Amino acid sequence: ELKVEQNPLFLSMQEGKNYTIYCNYSTTSDRLYWYRQDPGKSLESLFVLLSNGAVKQEGRLMASLDTKARLSTLHITAAVHDLSATYFCAVEDYGGSQGNLIFGKGTKLSVKP
Amino acid sequence: ETGVTQTPRHLVMGMTNKKSLKCEQHLGHNAMYWYKQSAKKPLELMFVYNFKEQTENNSVPSRFSPECPNSSHLFLHLHTLQPEDSALYLCASSQDWGRATQYFGPGTRLLVL
Repeated sequence: ELKVEQNPLFLSMQEGKNYTIYCNYSTTSDRLYWYRQDPGKSLESLFVLLSNGAVKQEGRLMASLDTKARLSTLHITAAVHDLSATYFCAVEDYGGSQGNLIFGKGTKLSVKP
Repeated sequence: ETGVTQTPRHLVMGMTNKKSLKCEQHLGHNAMYWYKQSAKKPLELMFVYNFKEQTENNSVPSRFSPECPNSSHLFLHLHTLQPEDSALYLCASSQDWGRATQYFGPGTRLLVL
């Protein structure tokens, strides 16, 4: 059974600082997604990582995937308040339910002035 | 309308009521999904429909009954729910089942009294 763990679950950081969110998963997969959710809103797709070593960047966010370590990171550079949200990673399950996404619990990020 | 829409956005119902949630996608996708998002739990997949055919039922109680009349519309019929069913119910769609980014609707916030 594929399990996805994110850490930290809560992150309070100051504007201008850098930080990394980690996403570990338990079984083989080569497709990982990062989503953002604002309070009371739906999930917005940020990145899809398709292969080992994949790196994607958008603004102050950069995501990477290491399929051998079963680890993805979401790096935040020089955080600003607008990045405050909950970030989810989701891994595509190739086990019993091909095509289904298994989500982590989410990391609630709060960026303070 | 663009993207994935859901109605109603908020719903309060008693345990003996029957209600339905509606989802519509305007993206020309072939797969649609229902998810449940509860506080302190990861996003849980409930049902998957691919080309109108149900491909996944993730051990969901029978008080939740999905219906997919065509590839653009998805319903979740609710009857005799329990207070623990209170949650945010999210609909999503993707071009195909698996190997494709899922796009989420705004969700229906359900409260069962």
